[in-house]
Amino acid sequence: DIQMTQSPSFLSASVGERVTLSCRASQNINKYLDWYQQKLGEAPKLLIYNTNNLHTGIPSRFSGSGSGTDYTLTISSLQPEDVATYFCLQRNSWLTFGSGTKLEIK
Amino acid sequence: QVTLKESGPGILQPSQTLSLTCTFSGFSLSTYGMGVGWIRQPSGKGLEWLANIWWDDDKYYNPSLKNRLTISKDTSNNQAFLKITNVDTADTATYYCARIRDGGYRDWGQGVMVTVSS
Repeated sequence: DIQMTQSPSFLSASVGERVTLSCRASQNINKYLDWYQQKLGEAPKLLIYNTNNLHTGIPSRFSGSGSGTDYTLTISSLQPEDVATYFCLQRNSWLTFGSGTKLEIK
Repeated sequence: QVTLKESGPGILQPSQTLSLTCTFSGFSLSTYGMGVGWIRQPSGKGLEWLANIWWDDDKYYNPSLKNRLTISKDTSNNQAFLKITNVDTADTATYYCARIRDGGYRDWGQGVMVTVSS
């Protein structure tokens, strides 16, 4: 089984700050990596698929990168509405979610 | 506009079988490349993938739960189903169905809460 490790578990940042969230796989996942945003009390929402493809309607301040085992979600300028938990999902071998990063405004 | 809505029993007892239904609109599960998946989330915890079913009736299950899961679909009525046998308290969670197309779960239902309790 592929394990997904997200870091940090919790992040507090200021409005306007550049924020980077990480996801590390236990083996090469060939860029089959998605990022989801889940706000409190809501269903998850797709942000990025296949490492770096922005889903329809997602603001351009969100971007993804990575390869092999290491992947990153970047928010270029943090906005108040970005407060949420962010999950990565690998789809290379079965499917495994990361444990999430809870993002808060400082 | 794509919508999905999950339905289930709400509460059931240990050892029973959980039956979930996903009723969707705005797409067809007979369309090439289309799929529906089930994901669950215990309260305050992370997401766990359960199963996917595809337009060609291909099915994939979480290996750790495979013996207990059955996914199916009714294309004519725009529904997908998931059964989980022999439930226990660890199966208490919010269950989501979601549409898959060209990578990623692109659209999600609101989720249905299921409690396993004696």
